[in-house]
Amino acid sequence: KNQVEQSPQSLIILEGKNCTLQCNYTVSPFSNLRWYKQDTGRGPVSLTIMTFSENTKSNGRYTATLDADTKQSSLHITASQLSDSASYICVVNTGNQFYFGTGTSLTVIP
Amino acid sequence: GAVVSQHPSRVICKSGTSVKIECRSLDFQATTMFWYRQFPKQSLMLMATSNEGSKATYEQGVEKDKFLINHASLTLSTLTVTSAHPEDSSFYICSADDLGNEQFFGPGTRLTVL
Repeated sequence: KNQVEQSPQSLIILEGKNCTLQCNYTVSPFSNLRWYKQDTGRGPVSLTIMTFSENTKSNGRYTATLDADTKQSSLHITASQLSDSASYICVVNTGNQFYFGTGTSLTVIP
Repeated sequence: GAVVSQHPSRVICKSGTSVKIECRSLDFQATTMFWYRQFPKQSLMLMATSNEGSKATYEQGVEKDKFLINHASLTLSTLTVTSAHPEDSSFYICSADDLGNEQFFGPGTRLTVL
């Protein structure tokens, strides 16, 4: 069964600290994996896209990793800011279908 | 990047009325658009896949006669919530697919049914 699981479900961290969000998937075949950030009351916005051959990709303070062998991805946020408070969604694409994770709700507190 | 718009962004209606939500891809053609519903503090739930020029494909448990989808052109899909009830109050989000590579999401529509 094609599934995308994210952990933790929710996370609270202090401003300035780092954190790592996890995404494990059983989806096959694999085309790419995206991490989205969704602010409350807004639509999701793409942060990074990972293809099969990519192990790591950075977008500012966001760094995504992908291990296609173990079917795991992570999103590392460095020096968190209050504006990082949002839901982070992992989406795996088979090429003709998208599978969504349930998301991780991140709260950054001052 | 590609832009997807939704209109209206927020709507409040009385129970029993119908509400139409528009989803437009502004700078690309989308043969496929998706409609999601999201309840507070929950993840996106796919309702249906809308294909231009053909009938939408609904996910299990979604009433096709209640949530009417029309994808009349390559840049416009509409979702009509018919005879809306308070339990239909939710955040509705659309996305457009650029030939299977990425989904671009709209900003969402907050529906409140009184």
